[in-house]
Amino acid sequence: AQTVTQSQPEMSVQEAETVTLSCTYDTSESNYYLFWYKQPPSRQMILVIRQEAYKQQNATENRFSVNFQKAAKSFSLKISDSQLGDTAMYFCARRAGSYQLTFGKGTKLSVIP
Amino acid sequence: NAGVTQTPKFQVLKTGQSMTLQCAQDMNHEYMSWYRQDPGMGLRLIHYSVGAGITDQGEVPNGYNVSRSTTEDFPLRLLSAAPSQTSVYFCASRPRGTQETQYFGPGTRLLVL
Repeated sequence: AQTVTQSQPEMSVQEAETVTLSCTYDTSESNYYLFWYKQPPSRQMILVIRQEAYKQQNATENRFSVNFQKAAKSFSLKISDSQLGDTAMYFCARRAGSYQLTFGKGTKLSVIP
Repeated sequence: NAGVTQTPKFQVLKTGQSMTLQCAQDMNHEYMSWYRQDPGMGLRLIHYSVGAGITDQGEVPNGYNVSRSTTEDFPLRLLSAAPSQTSVYFCASRPRGTQETQYFGPGTRLLVL
């Protein structure tokens, strides 16, 4: 089965600092999409950022950016100027030509005041 | 738009009981899907649909049935609940295009005793 791996079950960061969450994946497709979702304690799944594999430029959304290394099949999320509201579970996910998302197991991020 | 709605928010069942988790969306999305989230497992796909009258199995379909009689609704049926089906269930929808992002409902927490 094609998988998505998040190797950091838990991380913490001081408020206003920068943190990077790691994600690796495998796929046999040439075109696919990668996503980071945030799940706060409310359990709502919130899209943070997305990356299309055929685009070489790394996606950015305000304080969130990704480092997409296609050859290495790596897709890390960088959060700058961390805020208390960033405390959540973060899931990396891949969609490769089919209809469904494949998720990693998640990284629990705690932002410390 | 209400987006993706799910009912109930929380349900307790006894082993062997049946029930239907409701999911509706008002965005005229063709694709809908059901995921379950277990601790430490991320989200896993149960069933999905690419349009009214068309459904298919995901990664963990056993014990669940779905149907899609309208574009708006995609109910998930548990025929004979088992403790292993204790989980949080998410419904999601998105438009047909491959570039489109998935929208998630708020989730249903199910406890099977």
